Amino acid sequence: QVQLVESGGGVVQPGGSLRLSCAASGFTFSSYGMHWVRQAPGKGLEWVAFIRYDGSNKYYADSVKGRFTISRDNSKNTLYLQMNSLRAEDTAVYYCAKDPGLNRAAAGYFDYWGQGTLVTVSS
Amino acid sequence: AIRMTQSPSSLSASTGDRVTITCRASQGISSYLAWYQQKPGKAPKLLIYAASTLQSGVPSRFSGSGSGTDFTLTISCLQSEDFATYYCQQYYSYPTWTFGQGTKVEIK
Repeated sequence: QVQLVESGGGVVQPGGSLRLSCAASGFTFSSYGMHWVRQAPGKGLEWVAFIRYDGSNKYYADSVKGRFTISRDNSKNTLYLQMNSLRAEDTAVYYCAKDPGLNRAAAGYFDYWGQGTLVTVSS
Repeated sequence: AIRMTQSPSSLSASTGDRVTITCRASQGISSYLAWYQQKPGKAPKLLIYAASTLQSGVPSRFSGSGSGTDFTLTISCLQSEDFATYYCQQYYSYPTWTFGQGTKVEIK
């Protein structure tokens, strides 16, 4: 069965950096695009970033563009999110999510989600 | 960016009730709409995609309809495990995707 396990969250000061990881199993990771989606405490869902199955294209929400970098290592079945210049408003649970589009650009919705990892930006 | 507006923001219902949640897009999105269910402290779960296609394993009491700008999620006979927050999401505007603000379904 599909399993996505995020790690790397924690408390970081404003302006700091953090790298999140998402270990994937139960499907052919190298054939599917992957997303990061976040949820601020008590708030709704916000799409953050997408990477194509082969890593050839990456897209970001305006709120994180220039500060966050999505990447993947298909040999390790792992997705990453490098977060720099963190702000208080980046505080959220970060979910990795699988896109159902097989060997193609994004279908654009999310058929499997990890359990999330909490990032808190505070001094 | 395409804005998604759900109504109501919350509702109270009883087990066995028929529940309808509405989602409106700020511009036409054809049928590029998904619905998710989220329980407290848990990740969202995909219920419906392409506006009306049930994801594998989702009970048939859930259904979706609509196209263009107006969509509905219906739960035909509310069960105790259905009390949760529901989100719609458009995936028409590649490559930026947006969610509605959520509808919380509570026990009356």
